[in-house]
Amino acid sequence: EDKVVQSPLSLVVHEGDTVTLNCSYEVTNFRSLLWYKQEKKAPTFLFMLTSSGIEKKSGRLSSILDKKELFSILNITATQTGDSAIYLCAVNAGGTSYGKLTFGQGTILTVHP
Amino acid sequence: DSGVTQTPKHLITATGQRVTLRCSPRSGDLSVYWYQQSLDQGLQFLIQYYNGEERAKGNILERFSAQQFPDLHSELNLSSLELGDSALYFCASSPSARLAGRGRQFFGPGTRLTVL
Repeated sequence: EDKVVQSPLSLVVHEGDTVTLNCSYEVTNFRSLLWYKQEKKAPTFLFMLTSSGIEKKSGRLSSILDKKELFSILNITATQTGDSAIYLCAVNAGGTSYGKLTFGQGTILTVHP
Repeated sequence: DSGVTQTPKHLITATGQRVTLRCSPRSGDLSVYWYQQSLDQGLQFLIQYYNGEERAKGNILERFSAQQFPDLHSELNLSSLELGDSALYFCASSPSARLAGRGRQFFGPGTRLTVL
């Protein structure tokens, strides 16, 4: 069965800190890994990674995938209170599971002023 | 705003009842996915439809069923409701395999179901 594990489960930092969120996975027929940010309601898309070693960047957020070691990290630099949210990692597998996203438990990030 | 719409936003009902949740995907997206999010289980995939046909099934209970209509909107039917069905139900959509951005799923605002 496909499995996605995130760590830490929760994190409390102060504004300006840099954080690293981890995601490891075990899936058959890996296609892509996705990061989402969930605030009050719907998860919003951050990144999709398919190739190893290529960093995706958007402002203060960046992410990289290691397909050999089966993990990904999400970095947030110079954190702001608006970064407080649940960060979800999900894996899209192929084969009969094509299209299905398997999510990790999420990391709850709290940024204090 | 992802472009995916869901109705209703909130639903309160009693055990044993039946409800229907509705989802309209982003314009042009052919795939629709349903997910359930509860505190103890996290976000769990239920079912996927692609252009009207069931494509993939997750841990969906037999009491639950879904369909996608010719105009691509989808409905999730939950019957014989139990207390444990209380959760946030999300619909997501994604572009077809031929289009850029395939694989990304865009989530609607969700329907919060409370079973009393």
